[in-house]
Amino acid sequence: AQKITQTQPGMFVQEKEAVTLDCTYDTSDPSYGLFWYKQPSSGEMIFLIYQGSYDQQNATEGRYSLNFQKARKSANLVISASQLGDSAMYFCAMREGSGGYNKLIFGAGTRLAVHP
Amino acid sequence: NAGVMQNPRHLVRRRGQEARLRCSPMKGHSHVYWYRQLPEEGLKFMVYLQKENIIDESGMPKERFSAEFPKEGPSILRIQQVVRGDSAAYFCASSRGGTPNSNQPQHFGDGTRLSIL
Repeated sequence: AQKITQTQPGMFVQEKEAVTLDCTYDTSDPSYGLFWYKQPSSGEMIFLIYQGSYDQQNATEGRYSLNFQKARKSANLVISASQLGDSAMYFCAMREGSGGYNKLIFGAGTRLAVHP
Repeated sequence: NAGVMQNPRHLVRRRGQEARLRCSPMKGHSHVYWYRQLPEEGLKFMVYLQKENIIDESGMPKERFSAEFPKEGPSILRIQQVVRGDSAAYFCASSRGGTPNSNQPQHFGDGTRLSIL
């Protein structure tokens, strides 16, 4: 069975510092995709970054980078230079299914608080 | 946030009533996914539809829940005879489709918050 584990229910970071949000996954499928989403208090789901299982390099998108360690089955999100607006829930998700579609399984989330 | 439109944003129903949640995918997207988020939890997959077809409904409760995505118009998630436990946020996502190696993210709507009195 495939699953996503986020072991940090809550994290806090000082503004302008970097923070790492952990995510481990479990799958026997060699082909998979890993996503991170941000959910602010307003409730919408905002796509942040994607890593494919065959990608050779770690994904980066602006201040977001993904520390992909395939052998350890981890896909941690690194946010550099934290801003107050980064305070939100963060969800790691994995695409499952070999039928060519993007059904996602989500972790329980990590609530990040950025302090001034 | 990527153009997936969900309405209503908030929906209040009394126990036993019906709830209808609508989702219009992004332009050019023919794949729709519904997820449910209970308070303080992650999203849970419910159903995946393409136009006029249900592809995967493995996450849908067997009773009272149904979904459709007609040839014309939005996708509808329908909950009959609602109960308190149906209170949740319901998210719709769409994608263009693609292969398992596709990096196309699902684009989510803003969700419908369903409250059952």
